[in-house]
Amino acid sequence: QVQLLESGPGLVKPSETLSLTCTVSPYSISSAYYWAWIRQPPGRGLEWIGSSYHSGSTYYNPTLKSRVTMSVDTSKNQFSLKLSSVTAADTAVYYCARVKSTTTYSFDIWGQGTMVTVSS
Amino acid sequence: QSVLTQPPSASGTPGQRVTISCSGSSSNIESNTVNWYQQLPGTAPKLLIYSNNQRPSGVPARFSDSKSGTSASLAISGLQSEDEADYYCAAWDDSLNGLVFGGGTKLTVL
Repeated sequence: QVQLLESGPGLVKPSETLSLTCTVSPYSISSAYYWAWIRQPPGRGLEWIGSSYHSGSTYYNPTLKSRVTMSVDTSKNQFSLKLSSVTAADTAVYYCARVKSTTTYSFDIWGQGTMVTVSS
Repeated sequence: QSVLTQPPSASGTPGQRVTISCSGSSSNIESNTVNWYQQLPGTAPKLLIYSNNQRPSGVPARFSDSKSGTSASLAISGLQSEDEADYYCAAWDDSLNGLVFGGGTKLTVL
């Protein structure tokens, strides 16, 4: 059973860079899947941040594109998210997920989520 | 303001059939498949329906979806108390070149 686990700081200061990692086990991240980040501000809905492939191919939410960098580390079986110049509006639960198919673009496996608060 | 529009709330009694709508446009729902997610309180979302009424293993046949033009609907028949959750629709948007979610519908089982 594929499992995803997010990790990273729970508190980030305004204007700094939020960095999160998602560890995939026991499945190889180099398989034919894209890997995604999705976030959910407290009490609000879901927002797709972007998706990345082990080859380096990435797709980002246009509204966040200028601040987002995603990458895949095949040696550690992890993929990561960096979101720069954060503000309080970036406070959210951040989920990593597997993209089941780029035809349907459904997320079939999710991590448990990690809460990130932006505050000084 | 979400690209896909869902009613904020829905409700039903046990055993009843309820539907949740998802309204979009020609660049998302009309052009691409719609996926539905269920989020139980305090948990991560779970894929409920994908690719034209396909259900992942373990999802009961009580859950189904339909699509017509720029709108889609999730139907839950034989409503149960454990169905009380938030439900989200999602689809790829060709104009935005990104994945968009609906704002979510909170389902209450009375």
